Amino acid sequence: NAGVTQTPKFQVLKTGQSMTLQCAQDMNHNSMYWYRQDPGMGLRLIYYSASEGTTDKGEVPNGYNVSRLNKREFSLRLESAAPSQTSVYFCASKGHSNQPQHFGDGTRLSIL
Amino acid sequence: KQEVTQIPAALSVPEGENLVLNCSFTDSAIYNLQWFRQDPGKGLTSLLLIQSSQREQTSGRLNASLDKSSGRSTLYIAASQPGDSATYLCVLDTGNQFYFGTGTSLTVIP
Repeated sequence: NAGVTQTPKFQVLKTGQSMTLQCAQDMNHNSMYWYRQDPGMGLRLIYYSASEGTTDKGEVPNGYNVSRLNKREFSLRLESAAPSQTSVYFCASKGHSNQPQHFGDGTRLSIL
Repeated sequence: KQEVTQIPAALSVPEGENLVLNCSFTDSAIYNLQWFRQDPGKGLTSLLLIQSSQREQTSGRLNASLDKSSGRSTLYIAASQPGDSATYLCVLDTGNQFYFGTGTSLTVIP
């Protein structure tokens, strides 16, 4: 019962480096989401994908890009990492409306 | 913009006590409201989902209520246990967007 799988679990980057966070779900869900969680601010939506082939900006999209590679996979890319992007990143997926979101265990990203 | 507030930010209770966590929101136009728990270093685990047409949902020792007219939801935990210690988050689904509260950190003391 894998659910939502995120890789890597931890990563340290230098300012200006790029990296891609991977997310995959095995529940045949249409919608997938990327959030960041910062102390005292709760989770904020970066990007989401309502279905395969579509992506939309959330509340804090600047500095990020996403790809919905297929129905299972939704990746988040930092092209030029900045210290302000140090955060915990969560991927989530959801089936039909009024079904709960399912979350991965997160990727802890530090940018020096 | 929807604003979601959870009070208190932290709560400490002795084992066995019944407790209520509060969530308030500013816009009643929601699809559903979901309660999650988050353990340290982990993702979010769904506890209960209340659809906008429902008033409450129950699962074991947990009961969640929803009053859209007053912009409030409560999560009731009966007979609390040390394993209930976690951060509890309420999340509003407006259809395209999710709005998260900042959570209530619960500690149940053995």
